[in-house]
Parts: sequence; C-alpha cells; structure tokens
Amino acid sequence: AQSVSQHNHHVILSEAASLELGCNYSYGGTVNLFWYVQYPGQHLQLLLKYFSGDPLVKGIKGFEAEFIKSKFSFNLRKPSVQWSDTAEYFCAVNAWGQNFVFGPGTRLSVLP
Amino acid sequence: NAGVTQTPKFQVLKTGQSMTLQCAQDMNHEYMSWYRQDPGMGLRLIHYSVGAGITDQGEVPNGYNVSRSTTEDFPLRLLSAAPSQTSVYFCASSSLAGGTGELFFGEGSRLTVL
Repeated sequence: AQSVSQHNHHVILSEAASLELGCNYSYGGTVNLFWYVQYPGQHLQLLLKYFSGDPLVKGIKGFEAEFIKSKFSFNLRKPSVQWSDTAEYFCAVNAWGQNFVFGPGTRLSVLP
Repeated sequence: NAGVTQTPKFQVLKTGQSMTLQCAQDMNHEYMSWYRQDPGMGLRLIHYSVGAGITDQGEVPNGYNVSRSTTEDFPLRLLSAAPSQTSVYFCASSSLAGGTGELFFGEGSRLTVL
C-alpha cells in the first residue's frame, strides 16, 4: 500500500525566509504527485502537480517542487515566504487507477 | 462554475442520531470521494465512487454509508452518530480520463457529535 510522510509537523518562519517542506512516499511504480494547501478555515486547493517530464514543477504563488525518483521524494520550496502563506500543506500521491493518499500535513506559520 | 458543493457547512448531532452530508459536482467527474480530516492525521478516505452505481470502501468506512445514483451527487450517510465521528468532512471529485486528474474539493462540513 502507498503511504506518504511529511518531515515536519509545524514549521515557523519569518517573512522573507526560504521554505522547504519535505515529502516522501512509498510506492514502487509510476505515481502522480501533488501538493495541496489549506488556508485557515478553507478547503484544500491545488498548489502544483507532477505527472511526468521535467522533475522541477512550478505552481501558483511562487511555489515549486522537485521530484527525485531515486529518493521517492517530492519536496516543496519557496524562496521567500509571506505572511499570507500561513496555511497547512499536504503532499499527496496517486498511481493510475488508485486512490489518492495524503500525508499528515505540515502546518506553516509565517511571522510578520 | 460551482465546482464541488457540500451541505451543510456545520452540523451538531447527538449520539445515535443519523444524518446525510450532501455533495454535488457540476464538472461531470466520474470519480467522487469522501474524506475526513482530523488533526495530525491528514485526510483519510471514507468511501469513493468511480461512476454512477459504483461505490467502494476507503480506509475508514465503518459507520458511514454512500450511494451514487447520478454522476453529480454523492451523499454520505452517518447511520448512528458517535463522538468519534466528530471531524471535518470533505467531498472531492476528479476526472478519471488519463488517470492523472487532480482532486477538486468542496468547502468542507464540520460535524460535532455530542
């Protein structure tokens, strides 16, 4: 069965700091990879996704993620965070024909 | 374009009561699913459906029932509510074409069982 782990439960940063959130998955086959964001009191929204091709994918709001197949990782990055990035971030994986599996989430708090 | 619509947004139940969370999507998605979100546990799949008339269990199906009579609607029924079912519930849908569709989420339904 697939599983997804996220390295940090809660990350606290000051504005303008760089961000990297770790995500690792366990599945031996071809997978699709996603990062979702949930702002306080809201539903999950897609930040970015990887299906194939360039392993460095760019998403909305300046976020990017790099797929490293050999490490089963899909880490999320942003060079300079803003207070408005305060949210919970979920990594998710699915293989063709299978359900999505979500990580436990990482809460990001950005201090103004 | 409404996307995925869930009702109600908030609900308080007493132990043993039953209720239905409604979910509708207007994107003609084949795949629909229900998740519950609990602190520190991410999203856990309750039930899912790959088309009208087809449903299956997810990771945590006990105490919940679903049906899919139309492509658009996928209601989640709590048969006899328990305090352990206090959670935030999300409905999500996806296109199965090509097997690479992203999930689109509803706004969520916060359920409290006393």
